[in-house]
Amino acid sequence: QAVLTQPSSLSASPGASASLTCTLRSGINVGTYRIYWYQQKPGSPPQYLLKYNSDSDKQQGSGVPSRFSGSKDASANAGILLISGLQSEDEADYYCMIWHNSAWVFGGGTKLTVL
Amino acid sequence: EVQLVESGGGLVQPAGSLRLSCAASGLTLSRYWMSWVRQAPGKGLEWVATVKEDGSERLYVDSVKGRFTISRDNAKNSLYLQMNSLRAEDTAVYYCARLGDPLWGQGTLVTVSS
Repeated sequence: QAVLTQPSSLSASPGASASLTCTLRSGINVGTYRIYWYQQKPGSPPQYLLKYNSDSDKQQGSGVPSRFSGSKDASANAGILLISGLQSEDEADYYCMIWHNSAWVFGGGTKLTVL
Repeated sequence: EVQLVESGGGLVQPAGSLRLSCAASGLTLSRYWMSWVRQAPGKGLEWVATVKEDGSERLYVDSVKGRFTISRDNAKNSLYLQMNSLRAEDTAVYYCARLGDPLWGQGTLVTVSS
């Protein structure tokens, strides 16, 4: 089982909200990890969006709109990237990342389609 | 402007070697752990290696252990990845990155093919 699992795809309408999940493997407690989120568009390197550990330990990437926000769902053992007021330019691949057992680990990525 | 610029990618035959470089500007590399991340065509991101600020600790993904070596020259404000015994599955865009306080380069393409 992968350390981080993301749904491969998600679709949402312009103006709506999209909740992208990053589920940690059983036995790895989301509460103890800082979760990073990236956005990647075709042909470009990943762009850092934010990192989230708790409401008192979080950071928004430089220039990243406030409609991108992070949270955790302890009951689901998952990190969440919430994108509100979806725009066509938000269509991209999204990756989560954590530091685990002396290694950086990426989720498999979610392809977000805005239609 | 703060930036990381990779170089050294190209076409190499299986079992060959290649050395990637990453030049930093606008930041002092010696203050940070630095990493290489790769992305195979049409695939997701994969962490490859990380090196401590002073080079005293190096970490690798299992698939490259014994074949790749990450190193740094803080006097030159540069990061390197020596890749030996290359395989087709190493074909990817390789990114130089500061992951803890995110900053990424534009990437350099490595193609392993005969």
